[in-house]
Amino acid sequence: GAGVSQSPRYKVAKRGQDVALRCDPISGHVSLFWYQQALGQGPEFLTYFQNEAQLDKSGLPSDRFFAERPEGSVSTLKIQRTQQEDSAVYLCASSAGQGSGNTIYFGEGSWLTVV
Amino acid sequence: EDQVTQSPEALRLQEGESSSLNCSYTVSGLRGLFWYRQDPGKGPEFLFTLYSAGEEKEKERLKATLTKKESFLHITAPKPEDSATYLCAGAQGYSTLTFGKGTMLLVSP
Repeated sequence: GAGVSQSPRYKVAKRGQDVALRCDPISGHVSLFWYQQALGQGPEFLTYFQNEAQLDKSGLPSDRFFAERPEGSVSTLKIQRTQQEDSAVYLCASSAGQGSGNTIYFGEGSWLTVV
Repeated sequence: EDQVTQSPEALRLQEGESSSLNCSYTVSGLRGLFWYRQDPGKGPEFLFTLYSAGEEKEKERLKATLTKKESFLHITAPKPEDSATYLCAGAQGYSTLTFGKGTMLLVSP
């Protein structure tokens, strides 16, 4: 497809379970971002990759959150030992240019509910 | 602290009733001001990027403008299909977009 693709679209996890969320960016896009969006709020920055390098992970809320992009294309956001406060929509975005000043395209998001 | 504040939080318009949404920002080293549209259950859809004060961009019934402290999204003669949440974001530093909470727009026929 032409857009940013995320899977799964919906995930229900029991508290304490590990989850992995996948992102396929637009082909050829150098930059990849992960954002977290709580209900009724704007998206909040989690982490940024330029190709395979994770240049900024300042938004990751705890060491239970881990992201990787080993070949500079597909990315995975992993959440270990999920907690109820992790329930949110996780948005992946990509951009052809480097950094945040270029047009950034978002995927549909992965909806995570922790019960 | 870098902040993006949007107003109003919600806006109800009649079809054809023009209005404006406001986005005020205090983002150091702003690299761009973005507007997105978000429909329920969907990811944000890119609308505009503005880079400098005085810049304006238009798309169909929408026009975005930028000053040194705020941006406006003007909606001319809206239609029901324009109903959505409109998000404003400032590009801060090298890697981060700082988003506002959004304005939920409902256009009634």
